[in-house]
Amino acid sequence: DQQVKQNSPSLSVQEGRISILNCDYTNSMFDYFLWYKKYPAEGPTFLISISSIKDKNEDGRFTVFLNKSAKHLSLHIVPSQPGDSAVYFCAASARDNTGKLIFGQGTTLQVKP
Amino acid sequence: DSGVTQTPKHLITATGQRVTLRCSPRSGDLSVYWYQQSLDQGLQFLIQYYNGEERAKGNILERFSAQQFPDLHSELNLSSLELGDSALYFCASSVVGTGNDYGYTFGSGTRLTVV
Repeated sequence: DQQVKQNSPSLSVQEGRISILNCDYTNSMFDYFLWYKKYPAEGPTFLISISSIKDKNEDGRFTVFLNKSAKHLSLHIVPSQPGDSAVYFCAASARDNTGKLIFGQGTTLQVKP
Repeated sequence: DSGVTQTPKHLITATGQRVTLRCSPRSGDLSVYWYQQSLDQGLQFLIQYYNGEERAKGNILERFSAQQFPDLHSELNLSSLELGDSALYFCASSVVGTGNDYGYTFGSGTRLTVV
């Protein structure tokens, strides 16, 4: 049962354009959502997060949008840079007094110069 | 360097064998999480320890076990290995380890290959 889904395995965009990565979830108990970025041969690194009480969180070039009614979140990167090329994972946390995160399968972003 | 140390970085072993993966959390972090990433899969949560005690369990096979020691380092033991156990195993740590503590720090992983 995949509770967090990233339906696009890959995405290719031109440098300077917007990258939009999507994520859907099924568990209504999730109350916190995060995006991680992973380069080859490294562990994932935290990028940005959003609480379920908000619908938008912005940090520099990165913005995460949350649509609770649709159980959908997206990560916008504007403008995209070649250094953004990586695998992006969305993750969700439930109100269960643990810190465990449920991850999606990841989307590989390629930003072309 | 994220501050989370995983050893070894690579491990090649035969089916039926047993291996131990080690994780040293970031200084000050009490909670350790283990995740498995198989080919084309997301990170699958295996198990969480907080200050030496098991706190949450995911889809961890009975052949796998883990523990967290008094110095807070953790070990993941994989036994009776099968070809399908070949994967990247990540350890992550966080300060508190409850639902109010988000954004782990991951190690760089151990790549296990079972032949």
